[in-house]
Amino acid sequence: DVVMTQTPVSLSLAIGQPASISCKSSQSLIHSDGNTYLTWILQRPGQSPKRLIYLVSKLDSGVPDRFSGSGSETEFTLKISRVEAEDLGVYYCWQGTHLPFTFGSGTKLEIK
Amino acid sequence: QMQLQESGPGLVQPSETLSLTCTVSGFSLTSYGINWVRQPPGKGLEWMGTMWNDGSTDYNSPLKSRLSISRDTSKSQVFLKMDSLQTEDTAIYFCVRGSKYWGQGVMVTVSS
Repeated sequence: DVVMTQTPVSLSLAIGQPASISCKSSQSLIHSDGNTYLTWILQRPGQSPKRLIYLVSKLDSGVPDRFSGSGSETEFTLKISRVEAEDLGVYYCWQGTHLPFTFGSGTKLEIK
Repeated sequence: QMQLQESGPGLVQPSETLSLTCTVSGFSLTSYGINWVRQPPGKGLEWMGTMWNDGSTDYNSPLKSRLSISRDTSKSQVFLKMDSLQTEDTAIYFCVRGSKYWGQGVMVTVSS
């Protein structure tokens, strides 16, 4: 199985500060079709998860452009240019390239 | 508008079978795959299995022997059945279209 190693486990940031979350996979996430199925998800407290980014760097509609995704093969990063109060929650990376699909263990973002 | 709604019993006895239904609207099951993902209380996300748009299925290996996913396209429903439930199966169960559209989840408690 592909292991998704996500760091840090938690972040405590003030509003306006930048955030960076790393996700490393135990093998390349490049699919045989050429796509890299790496997704970033935010789960706010008490809510269902919400997809923010797919295919490494594509923002879902309605997601603020302070979010960005980057990376390739086995190393991926989610960045928030300036954290806002609504960004609190747990962020997960999710790989959909190799079966079984696997999630990172999550990064909890708290607002100071 | 894309919607997914999980339904099922909130409480299941140990060793019994869990049956959940995911009812979708706004799209056809013959066009999109549906994932089942679960989340134990206070823990991370686990992919359980996928009903692909062509009717084929994939399962996470640890669950494969007791998990079955099926569908009724005429009713726009996907079904999850899992046998021999244990307390460790207590979780919120989500159905997800691809990685983008999530249901609100259904809490299942395994307890006598």
